[in-house]
Amino acid sequence: EADIYQTPRYLVIGTGKKITLECSQTMGHDKMYWYQQDPGMELHLIHYSYGVNSTEKGDLSSESTVSRIRTEHFPLTLESARPSHTSQYLCASSDRLPYEQYFGPGTRLTVT
Amino acid sequence: AQRVTQPEKLLSVFKGAPVELKCNYSYSGSPELFWYVQYSRQRLQLLLRHISRESIKGFTADLNKGETSFHLKKPFAQEEDSAMYYCALSSGGSNYKLTFGKGTLLTVNP
Repeated sequence: EADIYQTPRYLVIGTGKKITLECSQTMGHDKMYWYQQDPGMELHLIHYSYGVNSTEKGDLSSESTVSRIRTEHFPLTLESARPSHTSQYLCASSDRLPYEQYFGPGTRLTVT
Repeated sequence: AQRVTQPEKLLSVFKGAPVELKCNYSYSGSPELFWYVQYSRQRLQLLLRHISRESIKGFTADLNKGETSFHLKKPFAQEEDSAMYYCALSSGGSNYKLTFGKGTLLTVNP
């Protein structure tokens, strides 16, 4: 079944640790996105990719980095986690048209 | 720069009452407008998009270019409509990014 997957769903980790949030999609989409969302708040685009080996920073500055080596995979990495990184991270993908995005279930990250 | 404004952070209505969630946008071209919904403990999902001109779960939204608005309406609210609603805009063309509003939390009381 075509879907978009995120792992882990919940992560509690100590300050200074390196973490990677996984996002994979079987939708066949070439465009993928990462958003940061605090509970009940707006979504902030932090990274996006329009294809393999193409990544761009989003509207909200983030210390995280991303890579896109395979079409279906778009991991997000934090080299040194801090409490300010505590948030929910949403991954999404879209096709060329009609611009609508499909979202994963999210990863809720807590940095202690 | 494009912007989406949802003036109401919270909206509370009784079951069976009409509901309107407001969305205004700022964009000089011809945008694509969307409404996304996030029910409790579920992922964010598309509710409807203006180009489809369809009714989903009893909701409709009309794009008013003169007033730069894309308000979401339902004549008779149901308790299961309680959720967070986000209005979103795409500038189209080769720009596939969405700009989201801050969202409106709709609570439908019994």
